[in-house]
Amino acid sequence: DSGVTQTPKHLITATGQRVTLRCSPRSGDLSVYWYQQSLDQGLQFLIHYYNGEERAKGNILERFSAQQFPDLHSELNLSSLELGDSALYFCASSATGTANSPLHFGNGTRLTVT
Amino acid sequence: AQSVTQPDIHITVSEGASLELRCNYSYGATPYLFWYVQSPGQGLQLLLKYFSGDTLVQGIKGFEAEFKRSQSSFNLRKPSVHWSDAAEYFCAVVNTGGFKTIFGAGTRLFVKA
Repeated sequence: DSGVTQTPKHLITATGQRVTLRCSPRSGDLSVYWYQQSLDQGLQFLIHYYNGEERAKGNILERFSAQQFPDLHSELNLSSLELGDSALYFCASSATGTANSPLHFGNGTRLTVT
Repeated sequence: AQSVTQPDIHITVSEGASLELRCNYSYGATPYLFWYVQSPGQGLQLLLKYFSGDTLVQGIKGFEAEFKRSQSSFNLRKPSVHWSDAAEYFCAVVNTGGFKTIFGAGTRLFVKA
């Protein structure tokens, strides 16, 4: 058990809808990272937050947004969903603000857009 | 830009045989390198990491990896594979500034009896 909790485990929704994915980092970790995993794109870095502030952005669409709250949990919001957004979304946490610290991954949220 | 290449999409080895998974990176300076493993339905788990120093690093589950700067490689090895090692393996590098980890496409390992 990595100590990182992601909810929900599965999500099925229709095109055009909006969903929110939630992540609770490992106790004591200040950084949260979001990744999207799909068969054709592999593991794509979306965004990194450290202690409530955005640290780095990757291939995150404008329809997607994220935030990290004072209690350090994070939410990834996906809106105007398209079929191509179907993927496994992972949250990972680390102790420091740089990615030199190993990442601890949750078990992911599987999003299916129909 | 930093990148990681795992040339083998999948590899099949017999139980008890040795294993080597290849990883090549592109990075201007001394990289921070990692190997992660993902079992079906699970998140990624860190196997080992290299920051500096000894170029042969030991990890969990009997895995080791060797950093070779001249070849820009960080190959993962295990002397004797167990059926429970069947999983997907990801090599990763930390980018300049260290704010994001870039993953390779992964190598799926199949273990046959």
